[in-house]
Amino acid sequence: AQSVTQLGSHVSVSEGALVLLRCNYSSSVPPYLFWYVQYPNQGLQLLLKYTTGATLVKGINGFEAEFKKSETSFHLTKPSAHMSDAAEYFCAVSFSRGSNYQLIWGAGTKLIIKP
Amino acid sequence: NAGVTQTPKFQVLKTGQSMTLQCAQDMNHEYMSWYRQDPGMGLRLIHYSVGAGITDQGEVPNGYNVSRSTTEDFPLRLLSAAPSQTSVYFCASSPGRINEQFFGPGTRLTVL
Repeated sequence: AQSVTQLGSHVSVSEGALVLLRCNYSSSVPPYLFWYVQYPNQGLQLLLKYTTGATLVKGINGFEAEFKKSETSFHLTKPSAHMSDAAEYFCAVSFSRGSNYQLIWGAGTKLIIKP
Repeated sequence: NAGVTQTPKFQVLKTGQSMTLQCAQDMNHEYMSWYRQDPGMGLRLIHYSVGAGITDQGEVPNGYNVSRSTTEDFPLRLLSAAPSQTSVYFCASSPGRINEQFFGPGTRLTVL
């Protein structure tokens, strides 16, 4: 079965430090890849997505992610963390199933920003 | 555009009661989905619809029913609530299955 793994249910970084949230997926077929963010007591919103083309994708709020096919990874980064980045982040991967697609979600990583 | 709206925001039920969670979107999206979110488990797909009159089961469909009579509305029915259905429920819509999903604000359901 296809799966999406987010390493670390909680990640803590200092304000101004690099943010790195990891996402790995199981597939030999290039999928479509998404990162969503969820602020407390809100729904999810799209940060960025990879479908085709350039493997380095830029999203909102200074986040970016790089699709590495050889490593089956789509890690999310931000050079300098801000207090407002504190939220839960979800990686999602759309896998091909014949003529259809199946969207699989990671378990989420809660980002904690230390002042 | 209001986007995706969900009602109610909060609900408390007793075991065995039934209720309907409402979801509506005004973006003319064909695809709509219902998820439940539980701590440490991410989002799990309950049911989804690829258009009016067409629905299918997701990963955790037991205890839930859906229908899609119009493009705009996709209600989720709990037939006989159980404590295991205590969760936060999100409705989402999308123009296509590989496109971005737009989420509603969620319904927090507690079953006693």
